[in-house]
Amino acid sequence: GESVGLHLPTLSVQEGDNSIINCAYSNSASDYFIWYKQESGKGPQFIIDIRSNMDKRQGQRVTVLLNKTVKHLSLQIAATQPGDSAVYFCAENFGNEKLTFGTGTRLTIIP
Amino acid sequence: GAVVSQHPSRVICKSGTSVKIECRSLDFQATTMFWYRQFPKQSLMLMATSNEGSKATYEQGVEKDKFLINHASLTLSTLTVTSAHPEDSSFYICSARRGGGGGGYTFGSGTRLTVV
Repeated sequence: GESVGLHLPTLSVQEGDNSIINCAYSNSASDYFIWYKQESGKGPQFIIDIRSNMDKRQGQRVTVLLNKTVKHLSLQIAATQPGDSAVYFCAENFGNEKLTFGTGTRLTIIP
Repeated sequence: GAVVSQHPSRVICKSGTSVKIECRSLDFQATTMFWYRQFPKQSLMLMATSNEGSKATYEQGVEKDKFLINHASLTLSTLTVTSAHPEDSSFYICSARRGGGGGGYTFGSGTRLTVV
């Protein structure tokens, strides 16, 4: 089946810097995308979402960008903090059905 | 906000025994619940989708007779791993979606299953 993939499996960022996590998706019909944060031994935590009729959405310290032309999704985290260290997953959804998760990127914040 | 409670958080069982994992939506009704399995350093893989009052829909390659799913009410779904073996050891996570169109997905905290 179709899948969602990530370019970078690991990312290390200095505390206070901005980080960008990328995701490529393959189902051009997907209309809803979500970024999740998962800490060790815990379930995924919702960060931010975006629908296909938008190309940018901002939250608190986070921004999601969607480029439907190249089927690319990114998560920007501003002014990273030690608590941002986790694995980040993008997920795609088509027609309100199940979510398909990407492979994940481990973000490490260097003090 | 929407809260999903999953328990137990951790369970160790002997090979050949069965283990039941519960997933409850605490403050909303979930018409659909999802069960995922996650191996170390890997992504979440959907095992099955359960809808209240009907049979679960299993993903390709998931044995429905081994992973029994029951969604008897709008707030509770259970996953029973029958005749567990060491290769079933994994992190199991449930997700619930609110009823109605456009409902968001809320995840439980996961269950670490170790089969010895």
